[in-house]
Amino acid sequence: DGGITQSPKYLFRKEGQNVTLSCEQNLNHDAMYWYRQDPGQGLRLIYYSQIVNDFQKGDIAEGYSVSREKKESFPLTVTSAQKNPTAFYLCASSTNRGSGNTIYFGEGSWLTVV
Amino acid sequence: AQTVTQSQPEMSVQEAETVTLSCTYDTSESNYYLFWYKQPPSRQMILVIRQEAYKQQNATENRFSVNFQKAAKSFSLKISDSQLGDTAMYFCAFMTRGSGAGSYQLTFGKGTKLSVIP
Repeated sequence: DGGITQSPKYLFRKEGQNVTLSCEQNLNHDAMYWYRQDPGQGLRLIYYSQIVNDFQKGDIAEGYSVSREKKESFPLTVTSAQKNPTAFYLCASSTNRGSGNTIYFGEGSWLTVV
Repeated sequence: AQTVTQSQPEMSVQEAETVTLSCTYDTSESNYYLFWYKQPPSRQMILVIRQEAYKQQNATENRFSVNFQKAAKSFSLKISDSQLGDTAMYFCAFMTRGSGAGSYQLTFGKGTKLSVIP
């Protein structure tokens, strides 16, 4: 089935560690996105990428890093510089061709700092 | 900067009744897209309905319809014949171009928690 796969579903991190969240899509979408969701808030954009080897910062990029070496993959690294990383993270993708311009989401990853 | 406001943090509706969720937005753009997403307890974000700003006709998807008032920058969602499975957080979102060529960004409201009561 086509879709967006995020892993792991649940991840625990010790303070001072970097962790990487995986996001893979087989929808042949050009653009990929990472969002963060905190309780009582909507989604906030961390990073997005329109094409391979190119990405732009969103509203809350500090403490995060990404790469886009393949069209299908857009991993997010939460670095030790991110002071409050405990949150729900959503990966998304979209095609901007034809009647596209709609963003579809993966099932999300929970990150907890212990 | 674009902003999206959902003024109703929580709402409830009896099963089979109709409910309307409100959303207003602020933008200087003339060409954009508006969305309603549903987030059930599983936390999966599910697209409910989509509206292009240049279309005057309101979008409809089965029991879901919108009332799009471009001049007022209002985009409300009406759910008819509410079902228990409609219980979820509902997010209004606004899409505009990002800084990269051909890229788009979504800006979300803070959501409305809808409970459908049997």
